[in-house]
Amino acid sequence: EADIYQTPRYLVIGTGKKITLECSQTMGHDKMYWYQQDPGMELHLIHYSYGVNSTEKGDLSSESTVSRIRTEHFPLTLESARPSHTSQYLCASSESGRGTEAFFGQGTRLTVV
Amino acid sequence: QKEVEQNSGPLSVPEGAIASLNCTYSDRGSQSFFWYRQYSGKSPELIMSIYSNGDKEDGRFTAQLNKASQYVSLLIRDSQPSDSATYLCAVDGGGRRALTFGSGTRLQVQP
Repeated sequence: EADIYQTPRYLVIGTGKKITLECSQTMGHDKMYWYQQDPGMELHLIHYSYGVNSTEKGDLSSESTVSRIRTEHFPLTLESARPSHTSQYLCASSESGRGTEAFFGQGTRLTVV
Repeated sequence: QKEVEQNSGPLSVPEGAIASLNCTYSDRGSQSFFWYRQYSGKSPELIMSIYSNGDKEDGRFTAQLNKASQYVSLLIRDSQPSDSATYLCAVDGGGRRALTFGSGTRLQVQP
């Protein structure tokens, strides 16, 4: 069973608020990912980390930021939430090297009103 | 060209039939290949991984990899209505590269 946790599971927040979505894993994985997914649509990589203090932006342009100060923790921050940020946010982790799959958290469903 | 290509479907098969899902990738240096299943409103879950050319079987699932053709497939035998989901192909280029997902194929198994 994958040990990757996301909080909160659901969040409704007003426009302009600053929010942080939490993601933690206890598997010691060096790679962590944030994906955005609208219902019935494909996964879009928004941020990626391959180790502590090493992060990269993904394919989807986003007003979010991430940090990776500890191996197990990879929070995603929206400085000013907008209705267009309403979506499902999925965190995942994997280990470098051959044959290592990514494990997903349960996701955070964000609604910006 | 997207790095990982899948037909979006829907692919509709009758119960008990074989469902065949296909995926092509562009990075010839890719090392590891995965199939995930995603039910509506849920997170993706890994169902198969494959790293070498050939077939790999696990229960009703068989993954096939052909690196020369840059092609990965997933066969689901004796398809059940509970197999109805979106199937995502993922490719790992190794090193510091991010795991790359295809857009997914929606499978519908008709009772």
